[in-house]
Amino acid sequence: RKEVEQDPGPFNVPEGATVAFNCTYSNSASQSFFWYRQDCRKEPKLLMSVYSSGNEDGRFTAQLNRASQYISLLIRDSKLSDSATYLCVAFSGTYKYIFGTGTRLKVLA
Amino acid sequence: NAGVTQTPKFQVLKTGQSMTLQCAQDMNHEYMSWYRQDPGMGLRLIHYSVGAGITDQGEVPNGYNVSRSTTEDFPLRLLSAAPSQTSVYFCASSYPGEKLFFGSGTQLSVL
Repeated sequence: RKEVEQDPGPFNVPEGATVAFNCTYSNSASQSFFWYRQDCRKEPKLLMSVYSSGNEDGRFTAQLNRASQYISLLIRDSKLSDSATYLCVAFSGTYKYIFGTGTRLKVLA
Repeated sequence: NAGVTQTPKFQVLKTGQSMTLQCAQDMNHEYMSWYRQDPGMGLRLIHYSVGAGITDQGEVPNGYNVSRSTTEDFPLRLLSAAPSQTSVYFCASSYPGEKLFFGSGTQLSVL
């Protein structure tokens, strides 16, 4: 089993839709979590860190559920420019950032 | 502020050749790491370092060497390139546990 797992998608949604991605992690010692966005195999860019209490940044909301060991990303009012691959990342206590394989999102006009 | 500088952007090697991918950061980050990305596999950790003189293996270290003589630099060496090492390589740095900053990547082809 992969240490960080994501549904690869693709998720095809119309503009304006709300879409949610989940990511599960197996290492209960994981300390920090992040969502990154990657376009066409360019370098990943930080979308948002994920805090225990949940956090929001504009149209994006991230949640962490330590009991069930998953994190989620909610995108509201999807834009064409949101089309990308979204990478879930967990930082373990052994100084490793482990990436999920990514979830592809395509927002359709 | 340059951030993470990774060179070269593209490289073609013949099987058996050696080369070094360069990575430098100017943010005084303790943590530096190398990833490779293959279709359907996501980013896989090759090697990482938590400070000058300290390196450790990630998920896929075979065929790669690293060293960390300074805080700023973390080169990745391919000793004898193989076609299986054809991939996109990313260097990244951070304070441990905080957000990673990435270089722009190196597309490597081994023929």
